[in-house]
Amino acid sequence: EAQVTQNPRYLITVTGKKLTVTCSQNMNHEYMSWYRQDPGLGLRQIYYSMNVEVTDKGDVPEGYKVSRKEKRNFPLILESPSPNQTSLYFCASSERYLRWTDTQYFGPGTRLTVL
Amino acid sequence: GIQVEQSPPDLILQEGANSTLRCNFSDSVNNLQWFHQNPWGQLINLFYIPSGTKQNGRLSATTVATERYSLLYISSSQTTDSGVYFCAVGPQGIQGAQKLVFGQGTRLTINP
Repeated sequence: EAQVTQNPRYLITVTGKKLTVTCSQNMNHEYMSWYRQDPGLGLRQIYYSMNVEVTDKGDVPEGYKVSRKEKRNFPLILESPSPNQTSLYFCASSERYLRWTDTQYFGPGTRLTVL
Repeated sequence: GIQVEQSPPDLILQEGANSTLRCNFSDSVNNLQWFHQNPWGQLINLFYIPSGTKQNGRLSATTVATERYSLLYISSSQTTDSGVYFCAVGPQGIQGAQKLVFGQGTRLTINP
């Protein structure tokens, strides 16, 4: 089954404790992206990757890191989480960068709480 | 950057009713998608529709790119249609391929 998976689905942590949210897709998609969803603000892009070893900042990259060492994986790293990073996080992928017709497929979401 | 406005913000209907959700955007786009976020938080793509009209069962969508708006129609609503509907656009130009800009969503509640 074609899908985007994220782990963990739920996480409660404390300020400053490094964490990683994993994202994996099995569709051989080139393009992957991370969004955060906050009440009243909708979804905002954090980082995106056009292919292996190619990443760039989205609209709200502060406090986050990403890496793309393999095509299927795009982990989101919070080196020193803070309470304002409490949010619902989505990973998404689409077949190719610069393909206007591509649909983005979203993972199930990771609900993160930073105390 | 491009602005995306959705209306109405909230909509409460009885089962069987029809509804129209609107998405206005402030600049030309190469990509426009409608998503449904179910009560469990999952985002499901409904339509890729940068222009024209598409239909899928009880749902249909129309985008008039020259006038910068898109409409999502839901006919004969069912309780399973409840959730938040998002419009997302990809701005024209190279930036457009790199991200989707989301509207704030329309929260639809269908009562039995």
